[in-house]
Amino acid sequence: DAGVIQSPRHEVTEMGQEVTLRCKPISGHNSLFWYRQTMMRGLELLIYFNNNVPIDDSGMPEDRFSAKMPNASFSTLKIQPSEPRDSAVYFCASSHKPLLGAGERSPLHFGNGTRLTVT
Amino acid sequence: AQSVTQLGSHVSVSEGALVLLRCNYSSSVPPYLFWYVQYPNQGLQLLLKYTTGATLVKGINGFEAEFKKSETSFHLTKPSAHMSDAAEYFCAVSGTNSGGSNYKLTFGKGTLLTVNP
Repeated sequence: DAGVIQSPRHEVTEMGQEVTLRCKPISGHNSLFWYRQTMMRGLELLIYFNNNVPIDDSGMPEDRFSAKMPNASFSTLKIQPSEPRDSAVYFCASSHKPLLGAGERSPLHFGNGTRLTVT
Repeated sequence: AQSVTQLGSHVSVSEGALVLLRCNYSSSVPPYLFWYVQYPNQGLQLLLKYTTGATLVKGINGFEAEFKKSETSFHLTKPSAHMSDAAEYFCAVSGTNSGGSNYKLTFGKGTLLTVNP
């Protein structure tokens, strides 16, 4: 089990540039989450996908942020244009939720995060 | 709506001493409760969880937590701290399947545990 894989580990970019963060969830997991971690706000859920479909994007800060999940093994989080206040650690996490009934979701498995610095 | 309060952003203990990290929650539905640990430059790892059943939950690395509904608490303990326990610990709450929103984990702000030799 390779775990959740995120790339890059670190990203430094200038204000106004486009940033793309990537995530490969654990094989077999049907739910994917993007979180942002900052000192001020802690861990915030940005968006949640289930079976590759965005279910809840209410945590996405503004239109500069977008996320896609073209298939079950890949997701991207894009910021365009980036701003200094976007500097944070971005985590991707995955889990498995039974498709039928009220079965219990498996715990979230987190990647090691992408540390984004926007200057 | 759910929320989590972790009392103490920083806890310092001596090696071999009791570890107690406090967590209180608020939830309008029966909660699922979790403790996660984060080591430097890594993602969060699940320590333990409470969903239903026994209120005393045992996790990895000798940690355990007790769900106390009357106190809306889920404090994390370990009888004897080890140097390797130094990390940041996060308490989290989610709803049950009611309303289909059990995916929403609400995290506390975290407690940094320092273990002194």
